[in-house]
Amino acid sequence: SQTIHQWPATLVQPVGSPLSLECTVEGTSNPNLYWYRQAAGRGLQLLFYSVGIGQISSEVPQNLSASRPQDRQFILSSKKLLLSDSGFYLCAWCLGGTSYEQYFGPGTRLTVT
Amino acid sequence: RKEVEQDPGPFNVPEGATVAFNCTYSNSASQSFFWYRQDCRKEPKLLMSVYSSGNEDGRFTAQLNRASQYISLLIRDSKLSDSATYLCVVISYNQGGKLIFGQGTELSVKP
Repeated sequence: SQTIHQWPATLVQPVGSPLSLECTVEGTSNPNLYWYRQAAGRGLQLLFYSVGIGQISSEVPQNLSASRPQDRQFILSSKKLLLSDSGFYLCAWCLGGTSYEQYFGPGTRLTVT
Repeated sequence: RKEVEQDPGPFNVPEGATVAFNCTYSNSASQSFFWYRQDCRKEPKLLMSVYSSGNEDGRFTAQLNRASQYISLLIRDSKLSDSATYLCVVISYNQGGKLIFGQGTELSVKP
């Protein structure tokens, strides 16, 4: 069966510091991968998605970037965090093709101070 | 107008009650629909896919009305463990298969 991991689970970072969040998927090949952010009391906002290694689509222009160095690894980065980057960051995968159900990792709760 | 709209609630119901959530979507080209459940400070989890003919999974029934562009979720015999936020999700193939999430409806089941 497939599993999705994210780390770290929680993170407190000062404004202006860099960020690297990692997501890995096991048990499947060539999944579609997604990064979402959920601000406190708000809905999920799609940040990036990837349909293959090195292929990244950005949904929202901001100071974040994503990379997919390996088939089942998805990384979210920032060079300088802003206070507004605080939130719950969720990675998700789906099989793609005609299968659209997405499955989420446990998330990283980021607080920028 | 938001692409997917839900009543945010909260819905406060006693154990054993039947509760229904509605969700409306604005894009008539929407093709696939889901309900997710999100517990406090946890990730969303897929609850049900919603099929054109409606579908049932135990105490949960999902229905789709394409003409009126709304989706519903019915929960019968509510349990304390049903307390969560329920997210309505819509996919429009003409938007590259992106999932569009509603803001969620909060349910609180009381003893």
